[in-house]
Amino acid sequence: AQKITQTQPGMFVQEKEAVTLDCTYDTSDQSYGLFWYKQPSSGEMIFLIYQGSYDEQNATEGRYSLNFQKARKSANLVISASQLGDSAMYFCAMREPYILTGGGNKLTFGTGTQLKVEL
Amino acid sequence: EAQVTQNPRYLITVTGKKLTVTCSQNMNHEYMSWYRQDPGLGLRQIYYSMNVEVTDKGDVPEGYKVSRKEKRNFPLILESPSPNQTSLYFCASRGGDHGYTFGSGTRLTVV
Repeated sequence: AQKITQTQPGMFVQEKEAVTLDCTYDTSDQSYGLFWYKQPSSGEMIFLIYQGSYDEQNATEGRYSLNFQKARKSANLVISASQLGDSAMYFCAMREPYILTGGGNKLTFGTGTQLKVEL
Repeated sequence: EAQVTQNPRYLITVTGKKLTVTCSQNMNHEYMSWYRQDPGLGLRQIYYSMNVEVTDKGDVPEGYKVSRKEKRNFPLILESPSPNQTSLYFCASRGGDHGYTFGSGTRLTVV
């Protein structure tokens, strides 16, 4: 079974600094997808970035980049130039490979990291 | 606008009183699912549906029912809610390679 581990329950970062949120995953499948979501205090889930297991380049989306190290099974999120609005809960998730027996689109989530950006 | 709409956003109910949380998507997605979010546990899948009339259990299905009579709707039914079902619930649909869309969430409190 797939598993996602986020070992940092909470983190602080100063405004304008970069921050790395850790995520490791466990899967025996070769084809998978990795996601990061942001959840502000209002509760909605906001998609940030996606990395496919066969993607050779690390994914980037604006100030977000994903440091994908396949051999180490890690998919850390890097936020550059942190802003006060980045304060939120961040979830790492993995998509289960498509299989004919069902559940093929399931996302497995980590427990999240609460990020606080300070002045 | 492409979206997943959940209702209600907030609900306080009493133990044992049947309730339904509605979920509707306008993207013609085949796959839909329900998750619950609890502190320290992340999001866990309750039920999912691969298409109309095709549903299956996720990781934490006990105490929940779903139906998928139409492609756009995927309601979550709690026939006899209990306090341990107090949680934040999300409906999601998937289209394309990695295009998951989440609803805004339903905060349910069972007293």
